[in-house]
Amino acid sequence: EAQVTQNPRYLITVTGKKLTVTCSQNMNHEYMSWYRQDPGLGLRQIYYSMNVEVTDKGDVPEGYKVSRKEKRNFPLILESPSPNQTSLYFCASRFWTGGEAGELFFGEGSRLTVL
Amino acid sequence: AQSVTQLDSQVPVFEEAPVELRCNYSSSVSVYLFWYVQYPNQGLQLLLKYLSGSTLVKGINGFEAEFNKSQTSFHLRKPSVHISDTAEYFCAAFRSGGYNKLIFGAGTRLAVHP
Repeated sequence: EAQVTQNPRYLITVTGKKLTVTCSQNMNHEYMSWYRQDPGLGLRQIYYSMNVEVTDKGDVPEGYKVSRKEKRNFPLILESPSPNQTSLYFCASRFWTGGEAGELFFGEGSRLTVL
Repeated sequence: AQSVTQLDSQVPVFEEAPVELRCNYSSSVSVYLFWYVQYPNQGLQLLLKYLSGSTLVKGINGFEAEFNKSQTSFHLRKPSVHISDTAEYFCAAFRSGGYNKLIFGAGTRLAVHP
C-alpha cells in the first residue's frame, strides 16, 4: 500500500531534549516536505526536499533541521525543543515533475507537546 | 497579506443541504489551486485540483469547485452533504514562480448536523 509513515504519532517531551520525528514514503517520490498545523493558521511549511541531499527552508524553519540521505526518508529534527513548537506535524511527498503540480500525499500526523 | 484566504472558519449545515466553502487567492500565488480534506485524526487527502482548462473542476465524494479568475476565487461546493462530510477543508496554491511551496489557507471546519 502506498503510504507516508510518520513516527511517533504522539510525543510529550520537555524543553531542550532533542527529538527526531521520522518520515518514510514507499512511492519513490523525489519531493518531500514537513508542515506544522496550528489552529487558525492552517498548515505552514517548515522544510522541503526536492531530492536526495537537496533541502531548503520553508516559511517557518527556525528551530528545526532536516536531512535527506536516502530518497525514502526525511526526518525532522528538533535540536532543542521549546513550548512554541507544540504542534501537529505532517510529512508529505510527491513526484517532482517540475512543470506540473502533482498530488501531495500526507502522513497521518505527529502530535508533539513540549512542556 | 494572506496568499490563500478561506473566508469562513466554521460552516454548520444540515444533512442533505447544499454547501459552499469559500476560498480567495492573491497575486502572490500561482493559479494551480487545490482543495484538501482532513478527517478527524487523519492526514490530508486531495479532493480536487485546478491546473488549467475547464473552470469547473469535479473531485471525489461529489465535491466540485469553480475557478473564477476575475474574482480570484476557487470556491468548493457540494449540492447535498452527508454526515460523513464533517471534516476540515483546506484550500491551497503554489507560491508563484515554482512548485516548491504549497501555501495553505487557515482551513474551514464543516460540521454536518442530522
